[in-house]
Amino acid sequence: GAVVSQHPSRVICKSGTSVKIECRSLDFQATTMFWYRQFPKQSLMLMATSNEGSKATYEQGVEKDKFLINHASLTLSTLTVTSAHPEDSSFYICSAIDRTGNSPLHFGNGTRLTVT
Amino acid sequence: AQSVTQLGSHVSVSEGALVLLRCNYSSSVPPYLFWYVQYPNQGLQLLLKYTSAATLVKGINGFEAEFKKSETSFHLTKPSAHMSDAAEYFCAVSANYGNNRLAFGKGNQVVVIP
Repeated sequence: GAVVSQHPSRVICKSGTSVKIECRSLDFQATTMFWYRQFPKQSLMLMATSNEGSKATYEQGVEKDKFLINHASLTLSTLTVTSAHPEDSSFYICSAIDRTGNSPLHFGNGTRLTVT
Repeated sequence: AQSVTQLGSHVSVSEGALVLLRCNYSSSVPPYLFWYVQYPNQGLQLLLKYTSAATLVKGINGFEAEFKKSETSFHLTKPSAHMSDAAEYFCAVSANYGNNRLAFGKGNQVVVIP
C-alpha cells in the first residue's frame, strides 16, 4: 500500500533555532501534501496545504513566515519551524494524496517536536 | 462546511465486550466519512470509509460502521474488544472522496480493561 515517510520522528531543539521536518511519499506521486498539528489529547488541526511547484495555502491563524512549507517535488514536502519557541512544541503530522485525488489520505507517522 | 462530533473523550471497554464509538456529522453536501485509528506517537491509519456505496462498511481489525442519513451518524463498532484495540480513534468527514480537507472529530481514547 501507499506509504508516507516522515522524518525525523522526534526532535528536540533550543528556543530560537529552526527545525525542518520532511514528508516523503515513497511509492506514489503526491501532488498535494498536508500538514497538521496535534496538541496532546486533541484532534488534528490542518495547518496548510502544500501543492507541488506552487506556494502553500495556509489555514487561518497559521503564521506562514513561521511555518515555512516547501513542496519541491512530487514526492517531498518540508515544513520548517523557524525561530522555534516552547509553544511550538507539538506533534506534527503530514499526509499526502496521490495524483488522481481519488483515494483517501495517507498519513506519515508524525514528528514530536520539543522546544526547550 | 462539514464537521463531526464525537462525544466522550475516553471510552473504557472490557476485553471481549462490544466497542461502540459514536460519530455524528454535519454536512451541507452528501458526506464522505472516515474512521481513523492512531497509536501513541504515530500517524493515522485508515480503519474504514463510507463513500456513498453500501451503508454498512466493514474495515480492518474487525471494525465496521453504519451510515445512517436519517440520524446523521456513522458509529463505529466492533463485537469483541481486544487489548490491541487500545488507541485513539478519530471520525472525519469531507465533501468528496479525494478531498483532503478532512474535518476531524476530537477523538475517543479507547481503554481496554483485561
